[in-house]
Amino acid sequence: DSGVTQTPKHLITATGQRVTLRCSPRSGDLSVYWYQQSLDQGLQFLIQYYNGEERAKGNILERFSAQQFPDLHSELNLSSLELGDSALYFCASSPTSGGIAFFGQGTRLTVV
Amino acid sequence: GENVEQHPSTLSVQEGDSAVIKCTYSDSASNYFPWYKQELGKGPQLIIDIRSNVGEKKDQRIAVTLNKTAKHFSLHITETQPEDSAVYFCAASYKAAGNKLTFGGGTRVLVKP
Repeated sequence: DSGVTQTPKHLITATGQRVTLRCSPRSGDLSVYWYQQSLDQGLQFLIQYYNGEERAKGNILERFSAQQFPDLHSELNLSSLELGDSALYFCASSPTSGGIAFFGQGTRLTVV
Repeated sequence: GENVEQHPSTLSVQEGDSAVIKCTYSDSASNYFPWYKQELGKGPQLIIDIRSNVGEKKDQRIAVTLNKTAKHFSLHITETQPEDSAVYFCAASYKAAGNKLTFGGGTRVLVKP
C-alpha cells in the first residue's frame, strides 16, 4: 500500500458527461501528479500541483481540469467525455518538491 | 521537453535467468531516474531509483546503472522468479520541470517457470 488513495476505483459513464476523480496523497506529501494510462500505453503526465498551486502542465486537454485543496487532496475533473477518454487515471504524490513519487491504485474510467 | 525511450517492449526469460531493460533520455538536465513495476490492475510501484551523482545502485536481485555521458540507464534483475512477471517502466525527471516524471513506454516481462 503506497498510502495514496484514489476514488472511485471504477467509473462507467456516457459520452458528454462530466466526472470527478479524487486523490488523497500520502500524509505530509505536498506534490500531487495526475497521469493518464490508455490501454497498453505508457503513462502520460497531465498536471502537477504543489501545496495548492499548479506547478507543471503536460498533455492535458482543455476539457480536463484539476485542483488541489487546502487539505492537499486533489480532484481531476473531466468534462464533455469522449470514448477516447477511457483510460486508467493515476494520481501520485511526492514529498516537498518532488523526486520520489508514490502512485495510487488508479481510477479506471470507461466512457460508453 | 524530456523524452524517454525504453527497450525492449517485451521480454521473455526463463526462471533463474537475468533480465535487462534499457532506457535512454534526451535532456541532460534530468537527474533522477526511478523504475516502477506495474502488476495487472494495480498502480505503478517504485522498485528502485538512482540519482545522477551515482553510477550504480543495487537492492537484492535488482540493480540499476546510469551512464550520464551516454544518457542511458538500465535495470538488471538477476535470478528471475515468476513473481517478477509484470510491466516495468523507467522514468526521468529534473527539478526545473517540477520533478514531473517522464516515462518510457514500458517493458512487459514474462518469467517462464
